[in-house]
Amino acid sequence: QVQLVEFGGGVVQPGMSLRLSCVASGLTFSTSGMHWVRQVPGKGLEWVAVIWFDGSVKYSADSVKGRFTISRDNSKNTLYLEMNILRVEDTAVYYCARGNGVNYAYVDHWGQGTVVTVSS
Amino acid sequence: EIVLTQSPATLSLSPGERATLSCRASQSVTSYLAWYQQKPGQAPRLLIYDASNRATGIPARFSGSGSGKDFTLTISSLEPEDFAVYYCQLCASWPPEYTFGQGTNLEIK
Repeated sequence: QVQLVEFGGGVVQPGMSLRLSCVASGLTFSTSGMHWVRQVPGKGLEWVAVIWFDGSVKYSADSVKGRFTISRDNSKNTLYLEMNILRVEDTAVYYCARGNGVNYAYVDHWGQGTVVTVSS
Repeated sequence: EIVLTQSPATLSLSPGERATLSCRASQSVTSYLAWYQQKPGQAPRLLIYDASNRATGIPARFSGSGSGKDFTLTISSLEPEDFAVYYCQLCASWPPEYTFGQGTNLEIK
């Protein structure tokens, strides 16, 4: 079955950096568009970034543009999210997710999430 | 920027009843609309995609409809395991813009 396992969450101070990883199995990662979606505990879902199957197209939410970078290594079945200049408001559970449909419009598989806490 | 507004924020019903959840877009959109279910401590689960297609393994009591600005998720007869938070989500055409609604909490009455 499909498994998406996120790594790299933790507690960091504002202004610091963190890199999240997501290892995929049970799917053809190299042909899958991938998303990062985050959720503040007790709040709703917020889309963060998407990357096309071959890494040729990337988009990110305005709230993280210029600070977060999505990337992938298809040889390692791994998705990344490089997060720089972290803010308190970036505190959330970060989900790795497989996109499907036109422009990867919907998410059909989710990881269990990794917690990022930004606090002084 | 497209905004999705879900209503009601909270819906209190009993098992066996019919649930109707609404998702309204701030402007007319494509039908690339999805619905997700999320239970406490779990990741979301895809229920419906492209407005009306059930995802793999989703029971037939879940159905989606709508177009333009108004979309609906209907649960025909609530089972105990259906009480959860439901989110709608849209992908605008190009450049792709992915937006979630704020969620509807479906709780047991």
